[in-house]
Amino acid sequence: QLQLQESGPGLVKPSETLSLTCTVSGGSISSSSYYWGWIRQPPGKGLEWIGSIYYSGSTYYNPSLKSRVTISVDTSKNQFSLKLSSVTAADTAVYYCARHLVGRGYYWGQGTLVTVSS
Amino acid sequence: EIVMTQSPATLSLSPGERATLSCRASQSVSSSYLSWYQQKPGQAPRLLIYGASTRATGIPARFSGSGSGTDFTLTISSLQPEDFAVYYCQQDYNLPWTFGQGTKVEIK
Repeated sequence: QLQLQESGPGLVKPSETLSLTCTVSGGSISSSSYYWGWIRQPPGKGLEWIGSIYYSGSTYYNPSLKSRVTISVDTSKNQFSLKLSSVTAADTAVYYCARHLVGRGYYWGQGTLVTVSS
Repeated sequence: EIVMTQSPATLSLSPGERATLSCRASQSVSSSYLSWYQQKPGQAPRLLIYGASTRATGIPARFSGSGSGTDFTLTISSLQPEDFAVYYCQQDYNLPWTFGQGTKVEIK
């Protein structure tokens, strides 16, 4: 059964770079047609798509975050990663990694809370 | 960007009642690219419906989806205690993929 697990620091200082990794088990990150993405949810608020990487390596980012986001994949480790630079308190959120098949919905990891604070 | 607007923000109902949740898109969305999710406190969202009306694996038949164009509906025919949660619609017809702001179904 497919499982996705986020990992990374739970506390990041303002102006620094948030870095998270999603480890995929029970399936290959190189599987055709799938996107591997990141979605976040500020405390008590709704869901925001951050960006995704296609199995071919193409990346797609939310324009609202595009200047600060990098998503990459490491097929040898069956992992993909998120980097979000120049963070502020507004970036405090639960960050979810997910597998996405367009038109078939997202399959989510459990999420990890990242707090931006000095 | 396609803005997804859900209504109402909160729905107060009793177990056994019928819940009707609305999702409106700011521009037409192919029904093939409209999904619904359920989220309970402290949990990740769970896929309920994709393609506007197809239930995901393991989702009970009391959940149904309908709609086309800009107007979509999630119906829960008879609310069970475990159905009280927040529900989100989502489109992946156009980038950036977007979610509605959610409808909270609470116990009356």
